[in-house]
Amino acid sequence: EDQVTQSPEALRLQEGESSSLNCSYTVSGLRGLFWYRQDPGKGPEFLFTLYSAGEEKEKERLKATLTKKESFLHITAPKPEDSATYLCAVQVGGYNKLIFGAGTRLAVHP
Amino acid sequence: DGGITQSPKYLFRKEGQNVTLSCEQNLNHDAMYWYRQDPGQGLRLIYYSQIVNDFQKGDIAEGYSVSREKKESFPLTVTSAQKNPTAFYLCASSLIKTVNQPQHFGDGTRLSIL
Repeated sequence: EDQVTQSPEALRLQEGESSSLNCSYTVSGLRGLFWYRQDPGKGPEFLFTLYSAGEEKEKERLKATLTKKESFLHITAPKPEDSATYLCAVQVGGYNKLIFGAGTRLAVHP
Repeated sequence: DGGITQSPKYLFRKEGQNVTLSCEQNLNHDAMYWYRQDPGQGLRLIYYSQIVNDFQKGDIAEGYSVSREKKESFPLTVTSAQKNPTAFYLCASSLIKTVNQPQHFGDGTRLSIL
């Protein structure tokens, strides 16, 4: 069965304290891996797409990496405005079907 | 501004009542999707549509219905057969010209039972 697991479930950081979020997956025929940011009461906001093992994407303080079994979202010197839930999703099949993980709730304190 | 508009933001359902959630997009996307989000769980796919007048069931379609009469619109009806409808409902859309097109989301409708 296709499955996506995110860890940790929740993460509390001090401002400037770098860390990583993990997304591990067991799927057949991975077509792509997506990272989203979700603020409370809002819809997910697209961050990155990763296609193949070894690929990296960066945006401001965020960097996403991909291996054959997992992806990491590295947050460098986070700020309080980075506080959100970060969702990982994998695409399988031919119609853009996404399987989502349960997310990591990140809180960055000043 | 291009985007996805969901309405209403909050919705309350009485026992035995059907309710319809609206989703409109002006991104000229071909595909549209409905997801349900419950606390502590990932988003789960209810229905999706890749073309007007055609749609397919997702993983949790029981108790829900949809229509796709226009490219821009994909309303979701939560029927009385859905016994646990309280959740956050998200609509998304994407291009389908190539694989790996990201889905873009609206800001959701929160449905509660009266």
